[in-house]
Amino acid sequence: GAGVSQSPSNKVTEKGKDVELRCDPISGHTALYWYRQSLGQGLEFLIYFQGNSAPDKSGLPSDRFSAERTGGSVSTLTIQRTQQEDSAVYLCASSLVYQGRGYTFGSGTRLTVV
Amino acid sequence: KNEVEQSPQNLTAQEGEFITINCSYSVGISALHWLQQHPGGGIVSLFMLSSGKKKHGRLIATINIQEKHSSLHITASHPRDSAVYICAVRIQGGSEKLVFGKGMKLTVNP
Repeated sequence: GAGVSQSPSNKVTEKGKDVELRCDPISGHTALYWYRQSLGQGLEFLIYFQGNSAPDKSGLPSDRFSAERTGGSVSTLTIQRTQQEDSAVYLCASSLVYQGRGYTFGSGTRLTVV
Repeated sequence: KNEVEQSPQNLTAQEGEFITINCSYSVGISALHWLQQHPGGGIVSLFMLSSGKKKHGRLIATINIQEKHSSLHITASHPRDSAVYICAVRIQGGSEKLVFGKGMKLTVNP
């Protein structure tokens, strides 16, 4: 596609429910990143994929968070048993890492846990 | 102490002014990024630098590796430049993840 596509754009969920956030990167981009921006806070790294593998998942805040990437393309970030502190904008970005290019960000998913 | 510090945190300017946004970092890096986030939340990658200087339109980004400092300059500023400008670094020898500064909110008044 022409850009990085994220869905849904907004999600309101009840505390304790599971949510899945989807990222469809630019076709051919080998690297995919998930970041989180909480209200009034800066961006924080969650996980990075190169192809289908995740060399760095050090930013995932707890074992309730997991992510996968299939076919070197679409990625899903899953949050189990959501908590109010999970409320944030979840941003996905993709890039052609080894060609030294910059990032292309998606518009994000605004998650609100009530 | 954050690994990436930006100054100032907020800046209000008049249309037409020359603006400089600063970023300092405390670690060895392989690249530095300047990002722009508009009020609607979308993030645009402006520059990726590993040395020297880059220019795109009215925007100029410079980096001094020895001093661990980068600047983003906006010439002939315009109200549409109003946004949060974020500096982020990729740590040398680390993974591909970015470490972000807290951003600088720029408001350009007509």
